[in-house]
Amino acid sequence: DIVMTQTPVSLSVTPGQPASMSCKSSQSLRHSDGKTYLYWYLQKPGQSPQLLIFEASSRFSGVPDRFRGSGSGTDFTLKISRVETEDIGVYYCMQSIEVPLTFGGGTKVEIK
Amino acid sequence: QVQLQESGPGLVKPSETLSLTCTVSGDSFRPYYWSWIRQTAGKGLEWIGRIYTSGSVNYNPSLNSRVTMSLDTSKNQVSLKLTSVTAADTALYYCARGAQLIDFWGQGALVTVSS
Repeated sequence: DIVMTQTPVSLSVTPGQPASMSCKSSQSLRHSDGKTYLYWYLQKPGQSPQLLIFEASSRFSGVPDRFRGSGSGTDFTLKISRVETEDIGVYYCMQSIEVPLTFGGGTKVEIK
Repeated sequence: QVQLQESGPGLVKPSETLSLTCTVSGDSFRPYYWSWIRQTAGKGLEWIGRIYTSGSVNYNPSLNSRVTMSLDTSKNQVSLKLTSVTAADTALYYCARGAQLIDFWGQGALVTVSS
């Protein structure tokens, strides 16, 4: 199975300040079809995960442009340019280049 | 926007079969993959498997021998069965749409395995 490792485990951010988190995979997530099968989700307290970023860097419909995904191969980053209070929760990365799909352990974002 | 609603017993006895249904509304049922994912405090998010509206399935090898997914296209429903459950199967079970790009998730159904 592909292992997804997220750091840091938690992040405390002042509103209006940037935040950055990392996701590393044990194998390359770039497929021969040219796509990179890396996704970012946010799970807000008491809710199910919601898709933020697909294929490493594309924002899902309705996702604010303060969220930016980047990276390639095995190293990926999610950046929030200016954190808002509604951004609190746990951020997960997921790979779907091969079965079984696997998730990182999450980065919990809290507001200072 | 698509909506997914999981339903089923919240309590299952050890060694018995966990059965959940996901009802899809608000968008087309076909031609999509429908996935099941579970979440525990200890193991985090774990992908269980997926089924296409043709009936083709992929399961997590770690659960493969115990999992069955099926469809009822007349009711826009996806079902999950997990046999021989133990306390380790206690989790919040999510139904979600998609195979590789999983875009929408249900609210989840909490299933506790206990005698």
